[in-house]
Formats: sequence, structure tokens, C-alpha cells
Amino acid sequence: DAEITQSPRHKITETGRQVTLACHQTWNHNNMFWYRQDLGHGLRLIHYSYGVQDTNKGEVSDGYSVSRSNTEDLPLTLESAASSQTSVYFCASSETGSNQPQHFGDGTRLSIL
Amino acid sequence: RKEVEQDPGPFNVPEGATVAFNCTYSNSASQSFFWYRQDCRKEPKLLMSVYSSGNEDGRFTAQLNRASQYISLLIRDSKLSDSATYLCVVNPTGNQFYFGTGTSLTVIP
Repeated sequence: DAEITQSPRHKITETGRQVTLACHQTWNHNNMFWYRQDLGHGLRLIHYSYGVQDTNKGEVSDGYSVSRSNTEDLPLTLESAASSQTSVYFCASSETGSNQPQHFGDGTRLSIL
Repeated sequence: RKEVEQDPGPFNVPEGATVAFNCTYSNSASQSFFWYRQDCRKEPKLLMSVYSSGNEDGRFTAQLNRASQYISLLIRDSKLSDSATYLCVVNPTGNQFYFGTGTSLTVIP
């Protein structure tokens, strides 16, 4: 069965470190998204991609970057981790088209000390 | 103004009750609407899409009111397993999605 997987599931790191969260999908979806979820804010879009070599900033993109070198993967990098980036991160993918729902990975719980 | 707004609840209802959630959206040009369910500390999962004419899936009914810019979710005969947070999702244009902060439901035995 097609799926979307995130790794690691949990990570603890220190401020100032570079951190990369992996997202891999086997749906063959063109669209991929990264969100963070914090209490009181719901899911907020960080970056998204509509296909290989395409990346776009979302609502809360400062301090994050993504790259899309193939269809399956959209890694999220925190260039210099800050305590404000402690959160739960979800990756999602969808088929092209506004009526296509998103499918989510299990999430990565990131703590920055 | 937020793209999508939901009453956070919590809604505490007895088993077998009927409960309804509303969600308002700000962009009148919004094209697609969904309800997702999220269990504690887990990923959101698609519950159902919301179609213009309204749609039903078992005990769940979704409605869209474009004139008033809201969508609703009705759950009949609530089960303990329905306890979760329900997220309203709106796609104004293209491929971006806006999520509400969620409505918490607890079904009590």
C-alpha cells in the first residue's frame, strides 16, 4: 500500500544546531507540504512543493528550508534550531487538484533545548 | 481575520447523542472543503470531503452553506470511538489548504 513516512519520530537537539526532518511518500503525488502544529494555532503551513525542483514558502517559513530533488522526498531543514521551533511537524502529500485531500505522515516530535 | 475558524469546544456528549460542529471560512471563492479527524498526538486523517449538495457517510453528515460561508459536521448516534478533535479544512484556490484549530469532542459512556 502507498504511504507517507516521516523520520525521525522523535528528536531532541540543542539550539543552533542544523536539523533535517525526512518525509518520503510512495503515493507518487506531485504536491507535498510541511506543517507545524502547536497548541492554540492548529496546523500552520511551513513550505510546500508542487513538483520536482519547485518549492514555495508558507505562512511560517522563517528559519526553515526545503528541497525537492525527486517526487518521493521533501526534507525539511532547520538551519539553526531555535527553542521557538519546538513543535510537532507533519508532512503531507496530495494529488494535483483543489478537490484532492491531503494524506499525512505520522509526525515528528521535535524538542529544541 | 483567520481563513478558517472553529469553536474549540470541548463538546462533551453522552453515547448515542447527536452533535454538530460548525466552521466558518473567510474566502468566498473557496473551492474545496474537508473534515479531518485527529486523535491525541497522532496525524490528521481524512474523515470526509464536503460537497456542495451535502453528503453523508454512515453516521456522519457534512453540509456546505456558501451564502453564509460555513460548513458543518453532524454526528448521529455518537460512539465512544468518536472522541477526537475534528479539523475543518478549506482550500481557497490551487493546492493550499487552511486548517481550523479543531473542535474537541468527548463522548461519555
